Amino acid sequence: QVQLQESGPGLVKPSETLSLTCSLSGDSIRRSAYSWGWVRQSPVRGLEWIGCIDDTGNTYYNSSLKSRLTLSVDPSKTQFSLILKSVTASDTALYFCLRYDLVSATCDYWGQGIQVTVSS
Amino acid sequence: QSVLTQPPSVSAAPGQRVTISCSGGTSNIGNSYVSWYQQFPGAAPKLLIYETYNRPSGIPGRFSGSKSGTYATLDIFGLQTEDEADYYCGTWDAILGGYIFGTGTKVTVL
Repeated sequence: QVQLQESGPGLVKPSETLSLTCSLSGDSIRRSAYSWGWVRQSPVRGLEWIGCIDDTGNTYYNSSLKSRLTLSVDPSKTQFSLILKSVTASDTALYFCLRYDLVSATCDYWGQGIQVTVSS
Repeated sequence: QSVLTQPPSVSAAPGQRVTISCSGGTSNIGNSYVSWYQQFPGAAPKLLIYETYNRPSGIPGRFSGSKSGTYATLDIFGLQTEDEADYYCGTWDAILGGYIFGTGTKVTVL
């Protein structure tokens, strides 16, 4: 059973860097049919795709976040991570990590989500 | 970034059918599989339909997906009270180079 769990700070100050980690169990990050991604949700923007990364390090970023975003994977730890720089209040959202099936173009497994608030 | 349009809400009595539409374009729905997700308050979205028509294991047969051109549809037959939730469509957009979600539809069981 694939399970994903987000971890990280719930509160980040404006202009600082948000770092989140997703821990995977029940699967391997090295499976080539999948990539590992992030989605956020807020009342203003609804569900918003952040980006994903595959086992070879290829990334697919939301163009609106690309200049501030870095995704990475650590197969040895079965974890993948998100770094978002220079956050503002508009980055306040519920962040989900997920597994993205590259063939089916679908987000088939999701973490439970972690609330991130940007505030001083 | 969402370019997939859904009705904000639909409602019906138990046992009836509801249809949720998802309108997109040739760079997304017109050229890719569509997925549908169900989300309850305070929970993560859950995959309901993948590859436009298919149901993952454990999803009841009353949920049915389809598409025609740049327009996708989720039908819920025999609506049940536990189906009251938010529903989102999603697909890959070739121009944006990323995944996009619909605006979301709240299903209310009367």
